[in-house]
Amino acid sequence: QKEVEQNSGPLSVPEGAIASLNCTYSDRGSQSFFWYRQYSGKSPELIMSIYSNGDKEDGRFTAQLNKASQYVSLLIRDSQPSDSATYLCAAEPIYNQGGKLIFGQGTELSVKP
Amino acid sequence: DAGVTQSPTHLIKTRGQQVTLRCSPKSGHDTVSWYQQALGQGPQFIFQYYEEEERQRGNFPDRFSGHQFPNYSSELNVNALLLGDSALYLCASSWGGSDQYFGPGTRLTVT
Repeated sequence: QKEVEQNSGPLSVPEGAIASLNCTYSDRGSQSFFWYRQYSGKSPELIMSIYSNGDKEDGRFTAQLNKASQYVSLLIRDSQPSDSATYLCAAEPIYNQGGKLIFGQGTELSVKP
Repeated sequence: DAGVTQSPTHLIKTRGQQVTLRCSPKSGHDTVSWYQQALGQGPQFIFQYYEEEERQRGNFPDRFSGHQFPNYSSELNVNALLLGDSALYLCASSWGGSDQYFGPGTRLTVT
């Protein structure tokens, strides 16, 4: 079983819709979770970090964490074509020590005009 | 405020050769992590340097080694290159336990 799993997609949504990206993790000791956006040919860019159960909102982005279900999600409201990219979910096994991140394989999002 | 920088951008090496990749962390950051990203995959953790020492290491062979300098910059060295080492090598910097920010990466091609 992979430590962090994501659907590879592609996930296609129309412009203006809500895009929902999901991620599950296997290590119950994981405490910190991150969403990165990666455009084709570029490096990952940090979008959100979340450490506590519940929702965390930043502009059009909302990260959701459910540690009991070992589930993390990212919602993108009012999706724009410029949001088309691969979204990487990452878990940090050791709390707040800036240690290694374990990444999923990424979900490709396509926002159609 | 300069972000994370990496050099070179692209590199082509022959199997069996050695390569050195360089990384300068974001201003104010003291920790550097290296990742390898194969095409279509998420980044895989190689190792992390803090206070000039390797603090954590992923499942990579000893052919992969690194160094951190007093100014927090870092090098990744790979010996005896294999075709399978072809990938995007990413450096990420952070301060203490803070979020990690990636540099633009070095694309290594081994022929």
